[in-house]
Amino acid sequence: DGGITQSPKYLFRKEGQNVTLSCEQNLNHDAMYWYRQDPGQGLRLIYYSQIVNDFQKGDIAEGYSVSREKKESFPLTVTSAQKNPTAFYLCASSIEGGTGYNEQFFGPGTRLTVL
Amino acid sequence: ILNVEQSPQSLHVQEGDSTNFTCSFPSSNFYALHWYRWETAKSPEALFVMTLNGDEKKKGRISATLNTKEGYSYLYIKGSQPEDSATYLCAPLEPTNSGYSTLTFGKGTMLLVSP
Repeated sequence: DGGITQSPKYLFRKEGQNVTLSCEQNLNHDAMYWYRQDPGQGLRLIYYSQIVNDFQKGDIAEGYSVSREKKESFPLTVTSAQKNPTAFYLCASSIEGGTGYNEQFFGPGTRLTVL
Repeated sequence: ILNVEQSPQSLHVQEGDSTNFTCSFPSSNFYALHWYRWETAKSPEALFVMTLNGDEKKKGRISATLNTKEGYSYLYIKGSQPEDSATYLCAPLEPTNSGYSTLTFGKGTMLLVSP
C-alpha cells in the first residue's frame, strides 16, 4: 500500500524536552510538508521541502526544525523553544511542489501533548 | 499570509438535502485553489484543484466552481448523505520568496448530515 505514515499517533512529553515526529512516504513524492492544527484555526504550514537536502520555513517555523536526508522521510523536531507545542501535527506530500498545482496527500497525524 | 474565509463555519442538514458553502480569497495574483475533505479520524483527502476562472469540477455528487475575478469558490453537494459528513477545507496557492508556492488553508466548513 502506498501512502504516508506518521508515528506515533499520540505523543506525550514533559515541558522543556525536544521531541521528534516521524513522517515517511512511499509515494516517491518530491515535496513534503508539515502542518499544525489548533482548535478553531486552519492548517498552518510549519516547514516544507521540495527536494532532498533542501527545506524552507513556513508561516510558523519558530521552535521547530526539520531534516530531509532521504526522499521518503521528513522528520519534524519540536524543540523546547516552541512556546505552545501541544497540537495536532499533519504531514503531507505531493508529486512536486514547485508550482503547487498537485494535490497533497496527508498522513494520519500525530497528537502531541506537552505536560 | 493570504486571508482565506470559509462560510458557514458549520452546517447541519438532513439526508437528501443539497447544500453549498463558500471559500473567499484575495482575487489578486491568483494561481490555484485546492479543496479537501477531512472526515473525522481520517486524513484530509483532495477533492479538486482549480486553476482557471470559470472552472467547474465534479466528483460524483460534489461539484465546485471558481471565480478568480471576485475571489470566491463554491462547493456544492447534491443530495447529501451521512457519509458526506466531514470538514471541507479550501486552500488557495500563495507564492513565496523561495520561489515555491504553498497552500494557505481556511478554517473549514464542518458539515453534518443526519439520516
